[in-house]
Amino acid sequence: KAGVTQTPRYLIKTRGQQVTLSCSPISGHRSVSWYQQTPGQGLQFLFEYFSETQRNKGNFPGRFSGRQFSNSRSEMNVSTLELGDSALYLCASSHVRDFLGTDTQYFGPGTRLTVL
Amino acid sequence: AQSVAQPEDQVNVAEGNPLTVKCTYSVSGNPYLFWYVQYPNRGLQFLLKYITGDNLVKGSYGFEAEFNKSQTSFHLKKPSALVSDSALYFCAVRDPQAGGYNKLIFGAGTRLAVHP
Repeated sequence: KAGVTQTPRYLIKTRGQQVTLSCSPISGHRSVSWYQQTPGQGLQFLFEYFSETQRNKGNFPGRFSGRQFSNSRSEMNVSTLELGDSALYLCASSHVRDFLGTDTQYFGPGTRLTVL
Repeated sequence: AQSVAQPEDQVNVAEGNPLTVKCTYSVSGNPYLFWYVQYPNRGLQFLLKYITGDNLVKGSYGFEAEFNKSQTSFHLKKPSALVSDSALYFCAVRDPQAGGYNKLIFGAGTRLAVHP
């Protein structure tokens, strides 16, 4: 079974631009979560989508948004990029067998975003 | 508030010796605990998790972890380290009573260096 895929793998943007990152979950997984990884802040939860609905959101500004499609694929968008948005953005997918969060999240390779 | 602490930035061990990577947590209820490993320029790979039941959890690649409720710890262990185990290790917690579905709170990470 194919793992979580993320495109593109690398991206260079300039301040003020916007960017869209894509994530395809493992087949059959309906939950997709996004995380930001930086040297200073570590791994931080951005948001989670399940059945095309955002279930939970981390403490990030409104410039960060996402969506999920009917095939469970997800995109996240960052508008008005800032230098501090440079990070590795990780997507994770999981089953949802219950609503307690016991299922394992499987991560993709990430998209490395550099903002100049 | 939920939190995870990995008290050691780096752990050094000789190949063939046992290794331990420490993790302590703070949650309001009974935690779900996870260990992930990250190799350079890669996403996170799942190693093991504790949801309930036996306090000793066995995972991938010969790793295991022991859940200790009284000490609020979930240390990762391996009886005999390999050079190929050298990587960045993350402990993560999910508090089902805090809601948040698939929101994982990560520790800062511990870099494991196994020397030949």
